[in-house]
Amino acid sequence: NAGVTQTPKFQVLKTGQSMTLQCAQDMNHEYMSWYRQDPGMGLRLIHYSVGAGITDQGEVPNGYNVSRSTTEDFPLRLLSAAPSQTSVYFCASSYRRPSASSRAEAFFGQGTRLTVV
Amino acid sequence: TQLLEQSPQFLSIQEGENLTVYCNSSSVFSSLQWYRQEPGEGPVLLVTVVTGGEVKKLKRLTFQFGDARKDSSLHITAAQPGDTGLYLCAGARPYSGAGSYQLTFGKGTKLSVIP
Repeated sequence: NAGVTQTPKFQVLKTGQSMTLQCAQDMNHEYMSWYRQDPGMGLRLIHYSVGAGITDQGEVPNGYNVSRSTTEDFPLRLLSAAPSQTSVYFCASSYRRPSASSRAEAFFGQGTRLTVV
Repeated sequence: TQLLEQSPQFLSIQEGENLTVYCNSSSVFSSLQWYRQEPGEGPVLLVTVVTGGEVKKLKRLTFQFGDARKDSSLHITAAQPGDTGLYLCAGARPYSGAGSYQLTFGKGTKLSVIP
């Protein structure tokens, strides 16, 4: 199993450009989410999905779109990049409901380091 | 408002010393998890605690969940340079709107263990 795979690992964008960060998991997890991590701010939830076709906003959704057409994939789209979106982005997946075996543990990808100039 | 407060934010200690990291909240959580994150990597789960008062040990690491399930601590005995990293706590709460749950992360404690 590869777990959670994010691509690319590094990206530099110019202000106003758009791009998609890819995330794929092979653990058949229903729940997937995107976080951004900034110094002193911790992990902040951008968007999440509880299953294919269902997405919802997290704490900091502005400037980002998501879709969930399959269980495996959960891409994050930056519509018009801004310097404030310079950050490290993490995708995570987990089982939808805690159970005796899962207990809501999140599995993270290695992250995408994005710089917007 | 930060739901989970971690302290200290930074910690630098000598190899062999003991340390404790705290994770506090005014909210009750269904479970609480501790993750460790190394530079350039994503967080990796260390442990999950579910029951109030629960204590779990992972080699030199001891995790405790508060009786009221609002707080937790991580104690490291005889710290090693390999323990260096960012330690994150995360609380899970039911999210009734989607029949699911959400994780809320603390800002983390950055630990440096000096040889």
